[in-house]
Amino acid sequence: GAGVSQSPRYKVTKRGQDVTLRCDPISSHATLYWYQQALGQGPEFLTYFNYEAQPDKSGLPSDRFSAERPEGSISTLTIQRTEQRDSAMYRCASSLAQQETQYFGPGTRLLVL
Amino acid sequence: QQPVQSPQAVILREGEDAVINCSSSKALYSVHWYRQKHGEAPVFLMILLKGGEQKGHEKISASFNEKKQQSSLYLTASQLSYSGTYFCGTSDRGSARQLTFGSGTQLTVLP
Repeated sequence: GAGVSQSPRYKVTKRGQDVTLRCDPISSHATLYWYQQALGQGPEFLTYFNYEAQPDKSGLPSDRFSAERPEGSISTLTIQRTEQRDSAMYRCASSLAQQETQYFGPGTRLLVL
Repeated sequence: QQPVQSPQAVILREGEDAVINCSSSKALYSVHWYRQKHGEAPVFLMILLKGGEQKGHEKISASFNEKKQQSSLYLTASQLSYSGTYFCGTSDRGSARQLTFGSGTQLTVLP
């Protein structure tokens, strides 16, 4: 596609529910990243994929967070048993290859009540 | 470890120049600069790689001092559209793909 897209743009959920966020990267991009961005702060790395491989999960805050990219294109980020502290903007970015420019999507704003 | 950006905020008049600094305690492989407007996604400005390779955007330039482990972003003859929050993202050899972002510099350009 023309740019990185994410859905939904906004998600309100109740504490304890599971949520799944979706990222559709730029079609030719091998590398896909997930970030969490708190208000007024820079994006914080969660995990990344090189095609379908997930070499680095070090930024995932807990085992309630998981991500997948089964066919090396669209990716999902799932948060199980959501907690209020999970409320944040979740951004996806993609790049052609490692160390190349990362293009960010519009983000999903998650609010956990 | 998160890079440190300075200043935290700057206000200037249209046409004035600004410099934003980004310092790291780790040896850096690359520095990426982004600008984010309120409610929008970060937009790429510049990438600087160890060894001096540089890519640019618009009328903005940057330097990368590998010895001092810091980068500076230079905005000359600022325009109203330059307003926003500027983030530097850094990577080191140990995490070639992962960017660690600073907490941002809020730039406001007044007419």
